[in-house]
Amino acid sequence: DADVTQTPRNRITKTGKRIMLECSQTKGHDRMYWYRQDPGLGLRLIYYSFDVKDINKGEISDGYSVSRQAQAKFSLSLESAIPNQTALYFCATSDSSLTGNTIYFGEGSWLTVV
Amino acid sequence: AQSVAQPEDQVNVAEGNPLTVKCTYSVSGNPYLFWYVQYPNRGLQFLLKYITGDNLVKGSYGFEAEFNKSQTSFHLKKPSALVSDSALYFCAVLQAGTALIFGKGTTLSVSS
Repeated sequence: DADVTQTPRNRITKTGKRIMLECSQTKGHDRMYWYRQDPGLGLRLIYYSFDVKDINKGEISDGYSVSRQAQAKFSLSLESAIPNQTALYFCATSDSSLTGNTIYFGEGSWLTVV
Repeated sequence: AQSVAQPEDQVNVAEGNPLTVKCTYSVSGNPYLFWYVQYPNRGLQFLLKYITGDNLVKGSYGFEAEFNKSQTSFHLKKPSALVSDSALYFCAVLQAGTALIFGKGTTLSVSS
C-alpha cells in the first residue's frame, strides 16, 4: 500500500461545481502539503499544515480551501471549480525534523474542469 | 524569498554519456536543497538532498549533486546515463518555516 494515498486519482467536473480531493498518509508525519503541477510551471504550493491545528496559505491559495481532519488526513476543496484549475494535484507529507524534511508525494490527482 | 531556477527546459544526452541537469538557487541563510524525479504518470520521487557537510551529495539510482556556494548552484549529475533515466527532474529549496519551493523542471531525454 502507498504511504500517501490520494482520492480520486482522476476526476472530471463542471465549472461551478464543488470538488474535494482527499489525502491520507500512513507515514506518521505531522506535516502535510498540497501542490499543484502545471506544464512548464513546476509545482506550486497551495496550502500546508504543520499539525492538526495549523493551516497556512501557500503561493496560490485563492479559490482553494483545506481541512486537516486528523494527523493523517488533509483534504483540498475547490468551492466553485473553474477551468484554469485544471491541473495535476499532489498531496505530500514530511516530518518536522530540520535535517529530515524530505517530502514524500502521493501519486497525484488529475482534475479536469470543463 | 527563496527560489530555485532550472535554466534548461530539456537536456538531451546519449546513453552511456555523462549527464548534468543544472540548478541555481537564491536563499537567505543556509540553503537546504533537494532533487526530485518524476516519471510519466507518477508522483515525485526523492533523489537526494544537501543540508550540510560534503559538497558532493550521493543519492538514488547513481545520481549525485554538487553544491557550490560561490556559484549558488546545485547541479545534478550522473557519470553514465541510462535510457531509463529519461524523466522530469525538479530542483527544490526548503523555504524556512514553510515548505519546498520547486523549480519549473527539466526534462531529461536519454537516447539509445
